[in-house]
This record gives sequence, C-alpha cells and structure tokens, in this order.
Amino acid sequence: DTEVTQTPKHLVMGMTNKKSLKCEQHMGHRAMYWYKQKAKKPPELMFVYSYEKLSINESVPSRFSPECPNSSLLNLHLHALQPEDSALYLCASSQGTVSGANVLTFGAGSRLTVL
Amino acid sequence: GENVGLHLPTLSVQEGDNSIINCAYSNSASDYFIWYKQESGKGPQFIIDIRSNMDKRQGQRVTVLLNKTVKHLSLQIAATQPGDSAVYFCAEIPHLAAGNKLTFGGGTRVLVKP
Repeated sequence: DTEVTQTPKHLVMGMTNKKSLKCEQHMGHRAMYWYKQKAKKPPELMFVYSYEKLSINESVPSRFSPECPNSSLLNLHLHALQPEDSALYLCASSQGTVSGANVLTFGAGSRLTVL
Repeated sequence: GENVGLHLPTLSVQEGDNSIINCAYSNSASDYFIWYKQESGKGPQFIIDIRSNMDKRQGQRVTVLLNKTVKHLSLQIAATQPGDSAVYFCAEIPHLAAGNKLTFGGGTRVLVKP
C-alpha cells in the first residue's frame, strides 16, 4: 500500500460546528503532516508529527487541533472555524524527518467549506 | 515561477515539445529541493528531487537543474504529453538536520496543447 487516504473528501460545516479530518497511511512512515492549500496557492505547512509526537506547529490558530493516535493515523480536529479557513487540507507522510532527504507522499486532500 | 496575485503563471506547450519550468528560491542555505506535480482534484505528486551538493539530476523524461549561485531551480520535461498538464511546484527544505519543514514555491500551470 503506497497511499495516503484522507476522509472525508468534502466537508461543509458551520462556524459553531465541531468536525474532524482523518488521514491514514500503511507504508510504515513515522512522520505525518498537515498542509493547508487555498485556491491557486501553494500548500502551506501547518503541523508535523514525528514518531507520534508534535515536532512542528507553524503558529496555527488553536481552532485547529491535530492528533496522532498511532503511527498510521493523523487527525485534525476543527472547532469554531471561520469562513477564511475554507481550503483544501492535505495530509502527507514520510519515512522520517531527521535522517536525511525524505520524500513526502500526499493524500488527495479534504476540501473544507466553512459557512 | 512566482505566484502573482490570484493567477498562476501559465506555460502553454505543444504536445511533443520540451517544457522548462523555473523556480527562484530565497534561502541560500537550503539543503534539498523537490519538484511536485498537482493535477486537478489531487494532492501533490513527487516528480524528482535534488540535493544542494548536485547541480543536475535526471529521471524518466525529466531533468532538474540547480544553480546555487543565482538560487534558481528548473524542471525540464522532454516530449511533453497531455498527461503532463498540471500545476508544478518547486519545494525546498531549509535544513535537513532540522526536520522535514518542506516549503513550497508559488507554482506554475502547464497546459499541453494537442
């Protein structure tokens, strides 16, 4: 299995809702990532987990809460989002983070619309 | 290419011709560079990578050139095909020892004309 699977593919939520985005990989990768991508823009790094511990948080607002329950799963919990948070949220994984060049494998993304 | 407002730079190329996509980076200390391809409705897909101690690397139909003097990266696609139509992003890791903080450049849209 060489894929990163993200669910749901599409999500519409109100500003008072609580929802979660899920990501799964079975490649034995020990690093997982969340990126945010607005239309016609490059992906922007949000969080990096290395060996199930949060290693990078790019000053993301607390209404986004990541969770890494185990080495194969990565969640992004959403609460009290704003319309400007509407974007494509991409999950990625890599073999590691500090041992050298590590290629990120991306999922297809979850497209989020906040009303 | 650089991101200009709401519009991605676009490269139109005839099927069968060669394509050259350019990228300028700002961090002279970056260790590692990757080119990704993103098709509509999909996540970025790895194409080719290059370390800062190299100036050229070739793959299947693709070549990446790195000019550290002017901080410039390019991707050459030989015999461009309709399936090459996508947005192409260069990405860099500032310091490999500091973790995989992969940062993307602005992106260039490639349109292949039949």
